[in-house]
Amino acid sequence: DAKTTQPPSMDCAEGRAANLPCNHSTISGNEYVYWYRQIHSQGPQYIIHGLKNNETNEMASLIITEDRKSSTLILPHATLRDTAVYYCIVRAKTSYDKVIFGPGTSLSVIP
Amino acid sequence: SAVISQKPSRDICQRGTSLTIQCQVDSQVTMMFWYRQQPGQSLTLIATANQGSEATYESGFVIDKFPISRPNLTFSTLTVSNMSPEDSSIYLCSVYLDGQAFFGQGTRLTVV
Repeated sequence: DAKTTQPPSMDCAEGRAANLPCNHSTISGNEYVYWYRQIHSQGPQYIIHGLKNNETNEMASLIITEDRKSSTLILPHATLRDTAVYYCIVRAKTSYDKVIFGPGTSLSVIP
Repeated sequence: SAVISQKPSRDICQRGTSLTIQCQVDSQVTMMFWYRQQPGQSLTLIATANQGSEATYESGFVIDKFPISRPNLTFSTLTVSNMSPEDSSIYLCSVYLDGQAFFGQGTRLTVV
């Protein structure tokens, strides 16, 4: 079973920040938080990951709470092309740890 | 990064037949993963394929239905056997490299 819970859907106005929450209250000390997204009819795409510190890259920012039980993915200026299903996943950073997907959050960016 | 090529990208098959899906990676990887994504659903892990050993299947998936080959560190195949309309899904392969999971674009299978 997936170790995360996310809202099933969200809307965001184009140009505004999209804040996608994720709860992972049973996360272990060696598990990272990963975010992927899947645009319709494509394979999932890696966005960002983190252990306990906040992370930022060219796509998004990841804010992890101090107790590591929840996190928020931030798309700073959402565009229509960001409409996708976003998956929050926790896993250890090893090649043999499975990636288990939950239902994700379907984000709709509205003009 | 890793580039994953899947073949075929889509197919329409008759029930009772089998289809073999190929997955080629441009890097050597220890594990390859096969997923199924039914219409409107999230990805479900079918099995983990390790080079040189039998694949490990998740609950609800069996080797007779989804045989997997892993002949080397860059290639794997998944066969969907004795297909029925319920097997209509997108099948994706995935690898894990440098802290990230990479996915192929998937094989869209329709069984009629």
